[in-house]
Amino acid sequence: ETGVTQTPRHLVMGMTNKKSLKCEQHLGHNAMYWYKQSAKKPLELMFVYSLEERVENNSVPSRFSPECPNSSHLFLHLHTLQPEDSALYLCASSQTAIGNYGYTFGSGTRLTVV
Amino acid sequence: KNQVEQSPQSLIILEGKNCTLQCNYTVSPFSNLRWYKQDTGRGPVSLTIMTFSENTKSNGRYTATLDADTKQSSLHITASQLSDSASYICVVRGMEYGNKLVFGAGTILRVKS
Repeated sequence: ETGVTQTPRHLVMGMTNKKSLKCEQHLGHNAMYWYKQSAKKPLELMFVYSLEERVENNSVPSRFSPECPNSSHLFLHLHTLQPEDSALYLCASSQTAIGNYGYTFGSGTRLTVV
Repeated sequence: KNQVEQSPQSLIILEGKNCTLQCNYTVSPFSNLRWYKQDTGRGPVSLTIMTFSENTKSNGRYTATLDADTKQSSLHITASQLSDSASYICVVRGMEYGNKLVFGAGTILRVKS
């Protein structure tokens, strides 16, 4: 384990469902990130949180709604998704959101929208 | 256009053979370049990190090189093992826009017995 835990590992949901992805880290990091990884494409940054405050939203559709209740937990709330949203969603954390600190990634949630 | 291009897109080699993966980038100026290994169903894990002043960095059977003048990096894997089968991702941290990470699409390596 890397120290960043994501649940669930796999999720299948219908387009009308509402679900949430969870990410947890106990590394003492102050920054957390959501990335989308589609096949054969580079990771796409979705959201950045620094000390529980959202500092970046990369033009992500409103059907994705992040929540960071504290510096150890990050959620991604999903509703009325589209089939093209099927992907691996990766959570990562780093000591701070700026600087040269490395990222620690979770194992991801494999999301399938049917 | 992505600023980090990796080649080949995929590669199959026999166990015990060596291979080299390429990464060309246009991110400038940059702080550092990392190679990540991503096993199937897992998140990326950092293998090496190099700053612009470093030419080579090794981690066991993995050796990364960097030519900051030509903006090229390579990852050489020696005496490949079945467990090396994974996606290898080149990531460049730019010095602009809050030191963002720019990811390549990765090279999928499959090692056959």
